[in-house]
Amino acid sequence: GAGVSQTPSNKVTEKGKYVELRCDPISGHTALYWYRQSLGQGPEFLIYFQGTGAADDSGLPNDRFFAVRPEGSVSTLKIQRTERGDSAMYLCASSLLAGGGTDTQYFGPGTRLTVL
Amino acid sequence: KNQVEQSPQSLIILEGKNCTLQCNYTVSPFSNLRWYKQDTGRGPVSLTIMTFSENTKSNGRYTATLDADTKQSSLHITASQLSDSASYICVVKGNAGKSTFGDGTTLTVKP
Repeated sequence: GAGVSQTPSNKVTEKGKYVELRCDPISGHTALYWYRQSLGQGPEFLIYFQGTGAADDSGLPNDRFFAVRPEGSVSTLKIQRTERGDSAMYLCASSLLAGGGTDTQYFGPGTRLTVL
Repeated sequence: KNQVEQSPQSLIILEGKNCTLQCNYTVSPFSNLRWYKQDTGRGPVSLTIMTFSENTKSNGRYTATLDADTKQSSLHITASQLSDSASYICVVKGNAGKSTFGDGTTLTVKP
């Protein structure tokens, strides 16, 4: 596709349930980032991948959050035992390269997660 | 802790008017600073990027400035249009590659 896509666009779940959020990056982009954004705030870094490996997962809030990118393309963010505080917009971004420099991150439209 | 502070938090202007949004940061060492535009319910889109040696960068009606000595940046929007209504986010990247996002300024342009 032409841009980063995320599915689903909206996800409503009940407290305690397990959810998976999917990100399809731009073809050929080696770096993939996950962010969480609450209303009225800027995106908060969660994790980024360089290829298949998680190069930095320091932003994951606790062990209920996990992300994978098994083939270096599509990534899935997994949240176990969801809590109401997990409700937010989850954004994915990809870039050609990772690390420092002026490489542009291209964001997807996000998945709006609501935990009831 | 590296921080990025934006002001004002929100702004309402009339169509056709100019406005300036501010960003102060404490990220050090500094690599680059970007301004993003985020429409409601959408992901952010990059408007401009400036490195340490750049003082100003334009993209159409958007002009960003950077003072790396005082760690301040501004985004000036000229002749605003209704479609400029969005959140504008300042993002500072340090040399370690990590980006710090501001909370954004919500701009509303009214007819």
